[in-house]
Amino acid sequence: KAGVTQTPRYLIKTRGQQVTLSCSPISGHRSVSWYQQTPGQGLQFLFEYFSETQRNKGNFPGRFSGRQFSNSRSEMNVSTLELGDSALYLCASSLPPPDTQYFGPGTRLTVL
Amino acid sequence: DQQVKQNSPSLSVQEGRISILNCDYTNSMFDYFLWYKKYPAEGPTFLISISSIKDKNEDGRFTVFLNKSAKHLSLHIVPSQPGDSAVYFCAASEASNQFYFGTGTSLTVIP
Repeated sequence: KAGVTQTPRYLIKTRGQQVTLSCSPISGHRSVSWYQQTPGQGLQFLFEYFSETQRNKGNFPGRFSGRQFSNSRSEMNVSTLELGDSALYLCASSLPPPDTQYFGPGTRLTVL
Repeated sequence: DQQVKQNSPSLSVQEGRISILNCDYTNSMFDYFLWYKKYPAEGPTFLISISSIKDKNEDGRFTVFLNKSAKHLSLHIVPSQPGDSAVYFCAASEASNQFYFGTGTSLTVIP
């Protein structure tokens, strides 16, 4: 079974731009979660989608948004990029909770 | 407020010895716990999990212990191997898919 895939793997943007990241979950997984990883902060939960609905949301500003499509693929969008948004963005998929989350390789976003 | 804490940023262990990684949590409602291993430039890889109805779960060289009264979780790796060198994250959830992660412990296994 193919794992979680994320595109693109690397991205360089400038302040004020917006960016869209994509995640394809493991086949059969309908829950997709997004995390931000920065040095010293561990993985910070952004949001979780299940069956195209956002079920959980972390403590991030409204510039961070997401959506999920009927095939369970998910996108995350960050608008008006700031330098502090530079991070590794990870997507994880799982079966209904409680269940193990399986992570993709991440998208490394650099904001200049 | 960090609900899951890994107070040791790094740990060095000789090959063949036991590695013990620790994790503390504050939310007594957490009922599902996971450990992940992460190499640079890769996503975290699931290692082992434990639910709150158990106090121990074993999978090969990896054993996770849960002490609910102390709100403490530990991962034991025996024997440690150089390939185990990575960053280890613990995570916890409360009957949902919203997981809270610790900040990670970087394990170095010295050959």
